[in-house]
Amino acid sequence: DAGVIQSPRHEVTEMGQEVTLRCKPISGHNSLFWYRQTMMRGLELLIYFNNNVPIDDSGMPEDRFSAKMPNASFSTLKIQPSEPRDSAVYFCASSRRTGGNQPQHFGDGTRLSIL
Amino acid sequence: QQQVKQSPQSLIVQKGGISIINCAYENTAFDYFPWYQQFPGKGPALLIAIRPDVSEKKEGRFTISFNKSAKQFSLHIMDSQPGDSATYFCAATIIIQGAQKLVFGQGTRLTINP
Repeated sequence: DAGVIQSPRHEVTEMGQEVTLRCKPISGHNSLFWYRQTMMRGLELLIYFNNNVPIDDSGMPEDRFSAKMPNASFSTLKIQPSEPRDSAVYFCASSRRTGGNQPQHFGDGTRLSIL
Repeated sequence: QQQVKQSPQSLIVQKGGISIINCAYENTAFDYFPWYQQFPGKGPALLIAIRPDVSEKKEGRFTISFNKSAKQFSLHIMDSQPGDSATYFCAATIIIQGAQKLVFGQGTRLTINP
């Protein structure tokens, strides 16, 4: 089975540019999560969705960040305008919603560098 | 308090030794405690998990010990191998609006010397 697929794997762009990160969750998973990982702050949950509906976006750092899930097989995380402090590895994860404790399955991340 | 505190930040163990990583939490609403393993360039992957009504869970060389009254849990890796070198995250989950939210510890970088 295919795991969580993220694209691009690496992104280097200049400050002020718009950045769009993409995620395809595992088929049949109802919940989708976006995380950011940095050395200083570790793994931070940014936002998560249940059945394509955003549940909690309290981890989104600023209004420059936005996330969408137009259907069950696709989600985007957008940063506009980007800043150097947004440089990090961004992970997407998915899990089943029902059936007790379900593990989250992570993609391999997008390494974002803002110059 | 939705925090999980993890220690140590880094750990070096000789091959064949026991690696021990500790975590503590405050929120009694947490209801599931997974450990994730992360290799460089990869996302975290579930290693082993425990429910709070169980004091110990063992899978191969990996054991979780759980102390509900002290709100502490730990990961023990027996007979540690160089292939175990990775970053380990403890976590705790809480259900919010039907979704299982993970709160991660800060991570422990484990190095197993051959």
